[in-house]
Amino acid sequence: DGGITQSPKYLFRKEGQNVTLSCEQNLNHDAMYWYRQDPGQGLRLIYYSQIVNDFQKGDIAEGYSVSREKKESFPLTVTSAQKNPTAFYLCASSPGLGAYEQYFGPGTRLTVT
Amino acid sequence: KQEVTQIPAALSVPEGENLVLNCIFTDSAIYNLQWFRQDPGKGLTSLLLIQSSQREQTSGRLNASLDKSSGRSTLYIAASQPGDSATYLCAVRGGSGTASKLTFGTGTRLQVTL
Repeated sequence: DGGITQSPKYLFRKEGQNVTLSCEQNLNHDAMYWYRQDPGQGLRLIYYSQIVNDFQKGDIAEGYSVSREKKESFPLTVTSAQKNPTAFYLCASSPGLGAYEQYFGPGTRLTVT
Repeated sequence: KQEVTQIPAALSVPEGENLVLNCIFTDSAIYNLQWFRQDPGKGLTSLLLIQSSQREQTSGRLNASLDKSSGRSTLYIAASQPGDSATYLCAVRGGSGTASKLTFGTGTRLQVTL
């Protein structure tokens, strides 16, 4: 069953703690992306990766970090430097960075109190 | 900077109606445009992808058109059903300096009633 998985579905953390969100895909896609969704706003790009061991900042990278050690995996760490971390986080992938369709995972809702 | 606006923001219609959802973008130098559906608390499901060289795409009761020169895409939903109730998002890839990213609109929230 091909697709993108994100875990956990819900995550609760205390302010000041780092937290890592998981994203795995078995679609053999080269490109992977992390977006953040807030009520009333369009999805915003946090980081993207074109290939293993390479990643680029998106529009709102401050307070976030990523790694891409394996083609299938693109974990996102929300650090304590992120001022408003509570949001719905979506991972996506596509065959490449060109004019390809993007496929999305089910999302992780992070709540920081 | 590419900006995407979706009109209307919300729509409530009785079952059976044909619907028109609009997506307007400011920079016509796009690579493609993608329509998605999002159910509450869920991820995005891709509905249609239109490349910049195409004028329309169809999938079942859905038809999306693209007019790059006027910066507009329209999603037509024929014979709407309660199961169509969701938020519909459009996203464009490209625009000057943004070849690698999708820019999303804020969505049209659709409610189809019995």
